[in-house]
Amino acid sequence: GQQLNQSPQSMFIQEGEDVSMNCTSSSIFNTWLWYKQEPGEGPVLLIALYKAGELTSNGRLTAQFGITRKDSFLNISASIPSDVGIYFCAGHSYGGSQGNLIFGKGTKLSVKP
Amino acid sequence: DAGVTQSPTHLIKTRGQQVTLRCSPKSGHDTVSWYQQALGQGPQFIFQYYEEEERQRGNFPDRFSGHQFPNYSSELNVNALLLGDSALYLCASSETGDGTEAFFGQGTRLTVV
Repeated sequence: GQQLNQSPQSMFIQEGEDVSMNCTSSSIFNTWLWYKQEPGEGPVLLIALYKAGELTSNGRLTAQFGITRKDSFLNISASIPSDVGIYFCAGHSYGGSQGNLIFGKGTKLSVKP
Repeated sequence: DAGVTQSPTHLIKTRGQQVTLRCSPKSGHDTVSWYQQALGQGPQFIFQYYEEEERQRGNFPDRFSGHQFPNYSSELNVNALLLGDSALYLCASSETGDGTEAFFGQGTRLTVV
């Protein structure tokens, strides 16, 4: 079945540093999404990408849909303590997998003030 | 505007029992998907409901069943609970009909003892 490889598994950074994480797949996806999950909460949608090569920003967050449609990355600039959480990538494809998202295992981000 | 709401927030059940979890989608959304999130993992797709019918199902046994009501709310039922069913159960709703931009509830933490 489809699997997403998300890296790194965890990151410990200093406040103000930039962060980069990525997701790769052996399968093609039509949509890539990035979510953030905090303890005791459900995932919150950060960015959705719909076209290969698309680069989209949401405040200090920037994400790109890889041109091969098999990967995506998320950058966070000038990190702050409230960026702490687990970031998940998710891929969506039509056809046989229509209607569901495949998630990576997450990148746990810790920010030291 | 209320987002996706789930009830209960926490639940403890005994092996072999049955459980029902409930979800109200975000206003304007007609598609509901259920996910299981084990500790330290990304969410895994269980099934999706649209127009009161199960549209797609992930790799979960028949012990997992669901229902969608005319007001788009949904239930997840799990029969013959196993210890391995302990997880965070997430409901997600979307307006596109294909579950792409899914908005998640805070989840129901199920513990099976």
